[in-house]
Amino acid sequence: GESVGLHLPTLSVQEGDNSIINCAYSNSASDYFIWYKQESGKGPQFIIDIRSNMDKRQGQRVTVLLNKTVKHLSLQIAATQPGDSAVYFCAENSLSGGYNKLIFGAGTRLAVHP
Amino acid sequence: DAGVIQSPRHEVTEMGQEVTLRCKPISGHDYLFWYRQTMMRGLELLIYFNNNVPIDDSGMPEDRFSAKMPNASFSTLKIQPSEPRDSAVYFCASSFRNTIYFGEGSWLTVV
Repeated sequence: GESVGLHLPTLSVQEGDNSIINCAYSNSASDYFIWYKQESGKGPQFIIDIRSNMDKRQGQRVTVLLNKTVKHLSLQIAATQPGDSAVYFCAENSLSGGYNKLIFGAGTRLAVHP
Repeated sequence: DAGVIQSPRHEVTEMGQEVTLRCKPISGHDYLFWYRQTMMRGLELLIYFNNNVPIDDSGMPEDRFSAKMPNASFSTLKIQPSEPRDSAVYFCASSFRNTIYFGEGSWLTVV
């Protein structure tokens, strides 16, 4: 069945360092991917998305890389700040199916230390 | 825009009681989703609507769960009767085109 990132690892980084959060997906038909950030006690918040016709997309301090060959997605956060501490989820979708159904991974916890 | 609005934010109820969670999606959004989040299972899609019509309810765990969307600005998720294993955070989300926006969640505890 479909699956995206089935474990919840923790990534600890020093403030100011760059962070890389990885995600594996299994559905070859997925053509749209999103990263969400979830802070404690809040709902997931959209960070950045990428379509399968792209390999890289940049936002403010964040970059998403997509490797369709190995079904791998990564989120890079530059100059990580304490406010970046949260759980990060990748999610996949298949837009070609004519519907809008995200499948979420288990998430990665990012802990930023001063 | 106020975003997706959910109520109640927190609810503690006794086993066997009916629970109704409410959601107001972002105005203009044509998709509405109900998700459940637990430590064990992560974020699970329960059901989603398109233009107020239920499209996929395959994630609804049991007949005890039901969801309705009587109009474009309101949806409910009902659990009757509730059980302790239903304790979770329930998120409502809405979208127009691709990006899905989440509410702050309803934290449900069934004792």
